[in-house]
Amino acid sequence: QKEVEQDPGPLSVPEGAIVSLNCTYSNSAFQYFMWYRQYSRKGPELLMYTYSSGNKEDGRFTAQVDKSSKYISLFIRDSQPSDSATYLCAMTRATSGSRLTFGEGTQLTVNP
Amino acid sequence: DSGVTQTPKHLITATGQRVTLRCSPRSGDLSVYWYQQSLDQGLQFLIQYYNGEERAKGNILERFSAQQFPDLHSELNLSSLELGDSALYFCASSVGGLAGAEQFFGPGTRLTVL
Repeated sequence: QKEVEQDPGPLSVPEGAIVSLNCTYSNSAFQYFMWYRQYSRKGPELLMYTYSSGNKEDGRFTAQVDKSSKYISLFIRDSQPSDSATYLCAMTRATSGSRLTFGEGTQLTVNP
Repeated sequence: DSGVTQTPKHLITATGQRVTLRCSPRSGDLSVYWYQQSLDQGLQFLIQYYNGEERAKGNILERFSAQQFPDLHSELNLSSLELGDSALYFCASSVGGLAGAEQFFGPGTRLTVL
């Protein structure tokens, strides 16, 4: 079983929709959570970084962490065609240095 | 642009050969990470260096080695290449090297082994 599970999609939504992307993890040692966006196999771009349960908002993006359920989410409001990309969740343990463990990524297409 | 640079962008080589991938971290970052992204395995951590010292190692093959130089750039050496080594190789960097450090990725090197 993978440590981090992420629905690979693909996910297709109309422009303006609210998008919900999710990951679950099995190891409660994960303490730091990130979301990366990757366009067409380019370098992943850090979108959101959280380290505690709760919500963090940045513009149209909201990251949510529920450590009790081992579940993290990324919400995208008013989605735009430029948001079309693969979204990767990533996380690190407090005791393993900074190595990131990634989900397999969700491919999102926002249709104009 | 993350500030992390990687060369070359593309590399095509034959089985059994050896290649070197190069990474320059963001200005001020002391830690460098190497990741491999293949179609069937996703993004996998290979190795981390912090200020010239190896800090953490993932499932890196013995045929692969890396180092970080005094100017903080890093090289990943891949030898006795196999078809299955074809992948995207990303370098990332962070200011610190401890848990939770924000990592910024370079554009990657696409390796094709024929």
